[in-house]
Amino acid sequence: GAVVSQHPSRVICKSGTSVKIECRSLDFQATTMFWYRQFPKKSLMLMATSNEGSKATYEQGVEKDKFLINHASLTLSTLTVTSAHPEDSSFYICSASVPQGRDTQYFGPGTRLTVL
Amino acid sequence: GENVEQHPSTLSVQEGDSAVIKCTYSDSASNYFPWYKQELGKRPQLIIDIRSNVGEKKDQRIAVTLNKTAKHFSLHITETQPEDSAVYFCAASRDGGYQKVTFGTGTKLQVIP
Repeated sequence: GAVVSQHPSRVICKSGTSVKIECRSLDFQATTMFWYRQFPKKSLMLMATSNEGSKATYEQGVEKDKFLINHASLTLSTLTVTSAHPEDSSFYICSASVPQGRDTQYFGPGTRLTVL
Repeated sequence: GENVEQHPSTLSVQEGDSAVIKCTYSDSASNYFPWYKQELGKRPQLIIDIRSNVGEKKDQRIAVTLNKTAKHFSLHITETQPEDSAVYFCAASRDGGYQKVTFGTGTKLQVIP
């Protein structure tokens, strides 16, 4: 089956620093990747949709300049949390989908971000 | 945009009993409805999905029903086992799962041995 990896799995950083999270599709080419944020005991909230080679589409209320998304290749998307603050602490999960014809999104294992 | 509501938020059942989780959606154009199981700190895992041209789908102890007219769909787990304990999310999408998916609020299922 399709495998999606994320790196790092956990990161602790100081307030004001930037953190980059990578999402990779290991055995398939992902036309589209999605970035979600999940607070403890809450649902997954879509932050943005990224298509390879084009600008990401952000959901309403998500700051584009704070959460930078780059989808440079069909197997890699990155999320950079800029000038992180404690309120950015969360579980960030990416998912990847294959071209039309297959319905499932494949999720990465998630990245636990803690901002001190 | 799409809005997916899910009930109940928590559900406790005795091992061997059935569990039912219900969801409603708002966008009549939604045509793909996956269900995910998420264990604590882990990634969501797809357990079953259904498309809008089908009213029911079953996979062993898990079944999903869809009522397009009423815009609601349900997950049924029979003969529950302790390993079924997790948080379950329903979701809806208008373009198939390869595009934007809106998640429900989640149901924490506890199966008591």
